[in-house]
Amino acid sequence: DTGVSQNPRHKITKRGQNVTFRCDPISEHNRLYWYRQTLGQGPEFLTYFQNEAQLEKSRLLSDRFSAERPKGSFSTLEIQRTEQGDSAMYLCASSLVPIYEQFFGPGTRLTVL
Amino acid sequence: AQTVTQSQPEMSVQEAETVTLSCTYDTSESNYYLFWYKQPPSRQMILVIRQEAYKQQNATENRFSVNFQKAAKSFSLKISDSQLGDTAMYFCAPPLANAGGTSYGKLTFGQGTILTVHP
Repeated sequence: DTGVSQNPRHKITKRGQNVTFRCDPISEHNRLYWYRQTLGQGPEFLTYFQNEAQLEKSRLLSDRFSAERPKGSFSTLEIQRTEQGDSAMYLCASSLVPIYEQFFGPGTRLTVL
Repeated sequence: AQTVTQSQPEMSVQEAETVTLSCTYDTSESNYYLFWYKQPPSRQMILVIRQEAYKQQNATENRFSVNFQKAAKSFSLKISDSQLGDTAMYFCAPPLANAGGTSYGKLTFGQGTILTVHP
């Protein structure tokens, strides 16, 4: 399978715990995006990378959130001291050229109890 | 703030019929692509069709076509010969531009339209 993969697919955690998600983009894609989607809504942009460089972070991304893409391949999104409001689907997408279509992964569904 | 409006929260259609989903948007970007994505229940987002804003010709992809009105910032999706597998939530996704007018590829998504195709 050469699509975008995300792990884990589901994560249940208690409030205050830290969680980390992983995204593996399509191998030749140099652009990687993170979005957050709550139930019944469209995805909202969080941050994106060009190779290993994080070029922009949305205001939605508080200081508790950090993302990395250390070698320009896979990316991780960490949430520290989780809150119930962090419960959502976290989507990763990649593209070869910025203005071309993004290919999405299956998402990681986070539930904070 | 940039907005995307999908004014039809839910729509239903009979199998084999045609349905049109509407989308209006606001962007400060001058040259861009727009996309329609579908998200089937509990499945991942997949691309339906894309439109290049500098092209006057409307994009077509098999049973899917768009009516793109750049000046009006309108981007509707027409699905012909609807099939049961078309049941999904559909999102219109124009670019999300920075204050300088460039999106750098970021997308902004509408609220979505839930389409149900009935047999």
